[in-house]
Amino acid sequence: QSVLTQPPSVSAAPRQRVTISCSGSSSNIGNNAVHWYQQLPGKAPKLLIYYDDLLPSGVSDRFSGSKSGTSASLAISGLQSEDEADYYCATWDDSLNGHVFGTGTKVTVL
Amino acid sequence: QVQLQESGPGLVKSSQTLSLTCTVSGGSISSGSYYWSWIRQPAGKGLEWIGRIYTSGSTNYNPSLKSRVTISVDTSKNQFSLKLSSVTAADTAVYYCARGTGTTLGYFDLWGRGTLVTVSS
Repeated sequence: QSVLTQPPSVSAAPRQRVTISCSGSSSNIGNNAVHWYQQLPGKAPKLLIYYDDLLPSGVSDRFSGSKSGTSASLAISGLQSEDEADYYCATWDDSLNGHVFGTGTKVTVL
Repeated sequence: QVQLQESGPGLVKSSQTLSLTCTVSGGSISSGSYYWSWIRQPAGKGLEWIGRIYTSGSTNYNPSLKSRVTISVDTSKNQFSLKLSSVTAADTAVYYCARGTGTTLGYFDLWGRGTLVTVSS
């Protein structure tokens, strides 16, 4: 059972904006950076956002990340069909002394 | 560019030991400030971090798996490996190897394609 909670699914029409929340605690998100991964169907995860709000080279600026307290969020603007995927937040947990992932959110483009 | 590739048996009998290897190509496993992790994903479920190793040999394991996990590194072969003992059906999953970077509390910037391991009774 993950220590980071995400909504199971979110959906929106093309060109709309969606946000995905990631809720944790003081031992993980509250004290460490949050990273986000995109997993396209049948593929390995891919780094999407690192250190809360930084975009790796090659990642569209339609993706953005933020963090406040013990929660983080991923926003996707100008939603496109290619954005249909599972999204995971991740961070380090000081109590577990290890990496932890969120429960995952499936994004559907209507 | 650097790539990771998992290899190992796709079928393991219950109670036996699962063994996988990740080969790093296109660069040295010892270069840069990286660590090397195993992550798994049961079908239709989320990601679970198994553990990590530095090329110094220092390791960290998921507390829920620690008693059964060993991760090792062979810098001469540019590989790191996973052993998971006393497997059950619950260990059936796609296993990914990944490169960790940033800091000791960093992120995974490079992933292998994953390999499916099925535990049979």
